[in-house]
Amino acid sequence: GAGVSQSPSNKVTEKGKDVELRCDPISGHTALYWYRQSLGQGLEFLIYFQGNSAPDKSGLPSDRFSAERTGGSVSTLTIQRTQQEDSAVYLCASSSQGGGQETQYFGPGTRLLVL
Amino acid sequence: DAKTTQPPSMDCAEGRAANLPCNHSTISGNEYVYWYRQIHSQGPQYIIHGLKNNETNEMASLIITEDRKSSTLILPHATLRDTAVYYCIVRVSGAGSYQLTFGKGTKLSVIP
Repeated sequence: GAGVSQSPSNKVTEKGKDVELRCDPISGHTALYWYRQSLGQGLEFLIYFQGNSAPDKSGLPSDRFSAERTGGSVSTLTIQRTQQEDSAVYLCASSSQGGGQETQYFGPGTRLLVL
Repeated sequence: DAKTTQPPSMDCAEGRAANLPCNHSTISGNEYVYWYRQIHSQGPQYIIHGLKNNETNEMASLIITEDRKSSTLILPHATLRDTAVYYCIVRVSGAGSYQLTFGKGTKLSVIP
């Protein structure tokens, strides 16, 4: 596609529910990244995929967070038993190769609100 | 990655050039200067990057001083749609450098 797309654009959920966030990277990009941005805060790195494998999961805040990528393309970030502190904008980015200097291109984000 | 310093806010008249400064006095030889911007409620948008030579693309120009301790992003004819927070970051080359870290950036307001 022309750019990185994410869905849903907005998600409101109740505390304790599970949510799935989806990212479609730029076609042909092998590297994919998930970040989150809380209100008025900077970017927080979550996880990096190279192809379907995730060599760096160091940013996932807890074991309630998981992510997968299939077919070297679409990625899903899952948050189980959501908490109010999970409320943030979840951003996905992709780059052509990954692991180094390649420019990361971001999607519009998913705004998650946990009530 | 080296730390950057940017003014918290700037105003620019519509149609005029916007010059956004960034200090990165501790930059090392293998670190690139990147600029992103974030328009309200949108994801960060890549603008331009460079190592030591000045760079220009369809969005902006990047001027890097000879000692590489500072740089300026130039938007040649600012429009209202350029109102955003602009982030200057420096990134080392090589494996493990993919985690982007944004500082507080410069909030640019383009005034009609």
